[in-house]
Amino acid sequence: DQQVKQNSPSLSVQEGRISILNCDYTNSMFDYFLWYKKYPAEGPTFLISISSIKDKNEDGRFTVFLNKSAKHLSLHIVPSQPGDSAVYFCAASAFNNDMRFGAGTRLTVKP
Amino acid sequence: DTGVSQNPRHKITKRGQNVTFRCDPISEHNRLYWYRQTLGQGPEFLTYFQNEAQLEKSRLLSDRFSAERPKGSFSTLEIQRTEQGDSAMYLCASSLRQGGLRRPAGTGELFFGEGSRLTVL
Repeated sequence: DQQVKQNSPSLSVQEGRISILNCDYTNSMFDYFLWYKKYPAEGPTFLISISSIKDKNEDGRFTVFLNKSAKHLSLHIVPSQPGDSAVYFCAASAFNNDMRFGAGTRLTVKP
Repeated sequence: DTGVSQNPRHKITKRGQNVTFRCDPISEHNRLYWYRQTLGQGPEFLTYFQNEAQLEKSRLLSDRFSAERPKGSFSTLEIQRTEQGDSAMYLCASSLRQGGLRRPAGTGELFFGEGSRLTVL
């Protein structure tokens, strides 16, 4: 069962514009959400997280928004840069349990 | 290099053979995870350890798979009688789990190794 879903396998944006990556989850016990970025031939690296007690967390160009009622979160990157081109995974966990990942969205930022 | 280390990076084997992957986590991390990733999919949870105790195993982990973390440091993942469907990237990750308090944002994230790619011919 896929508890974390990323329905867009790919996204292409122009450099300098906003990138919005979306993620939906089904398990209401999830209380911690993360985004990971993955370059080819490397393991995923942590990007940003948000606890369920918050609805927004910002770190530089990256902002994660959480809508608990909709079981939806999104990652905004602004302005997008070519170096942001990678696969982005949404992940979620319930307290003291393992982390579940979405299938990923491949972001391409065009110069 | 103080990150998560995995080896071998790539293993090619014939169907029916046994393979073993090793993971060395970040030294102060008490949790160690194994994930499997196939093309076009996100990492799928296999199992995790807190120190030397294996706390959870996924239904994906058939009897042919076994993982150990004997001294609470490095871990091995063994696949016996490999099948072509076992071909995947096997990712190891570690984290530091602190106490029983509700975790604040910014903690609990996993630190991944570069993965061990298995190709079963």
